[in-house]
Amino acid sequence: AQSVAQPEDQVNVAEGNPLTVKCTYSVSGNPYLFWYVQYPNRGLQFLLKYITGDNLVKGSYGFEAEFNKSQTSFHLKKPSALVSDSALYFCAVKAGKKSSGDKLTFGTGTRLAVRP
Amino acid sequence: GAVVSQHPSWVICKSGTSVKIECRSLDFQATTMFWYRQFPKQSLMLMATSNEGSKATYEQGVEKDKFLINHASLTLSTLTVTSAHPEDSSFYICSAPGQWDQPQHFGDGTRLSIL
Repeated sequence: AQSVAQPEDQVNVAEGNPLTVKCTYSVSGNPYLFWYVQYPNRGLQFLLKYITGDNLVKGSYGFEAEFNKSQTSFHLKKPSALVSDSALYFCAVKAGKKSSGDKLTFGTGTRLAVRP
Repeated sequence: GAVVSQHPSWVICKSGTSVKIECRSLDFQATTMFWYRQFPKQSLMLMATSNEGSKATYEQGVEKDKFLINHASLTLSTLTVTSAHPEDSSFYICSAPGQWDQPQHFGDGTRLSIL
């Protein structure tokens, strides 16, 4: 069975400072990893993904994430946080093989609060 | 890019009413769609997988007779909450998968409030 852990319910950071939102995963075989952001009363918006290749992936709005196979982690990062980045962030995983279907397994979400 | 449209965005109705939520893929065909439920300050809970032309696949613990799912065409899936009660109040979100290594595309969600 696959699983995702987001150990922090909330991350607080000052505007202009770097931010990190943590994610670790467990999956059979190679993982396909995704980060999504959710604003209040909205659906999820795709930020970035790791499928294969370079361990550092860049996504929307200046976010990036680093895939670390040995630590089974996929932490989301941004060099300089904006107040507008305040939202709920979800990490998700699925096994990188077609036989496992299209279902994603989501983490419990981390609320990012950026103070001015 | 791919867009999923979900309607309505907000519903308030009396207890005992049945409510239908629609999820449409606007510029692509979706043989599969997912329905999620999200409680306040909590993660997404997958309720069921909607399959075009066949029965939906429900997750363990989800009442099939309470949450009716129909996938009538390659662009439309519907979730009907039958005889809704206050405990059914929640945020419901649909999504459609992209190609194998592509992200899912989410609707904007429906806030359901049962009085």
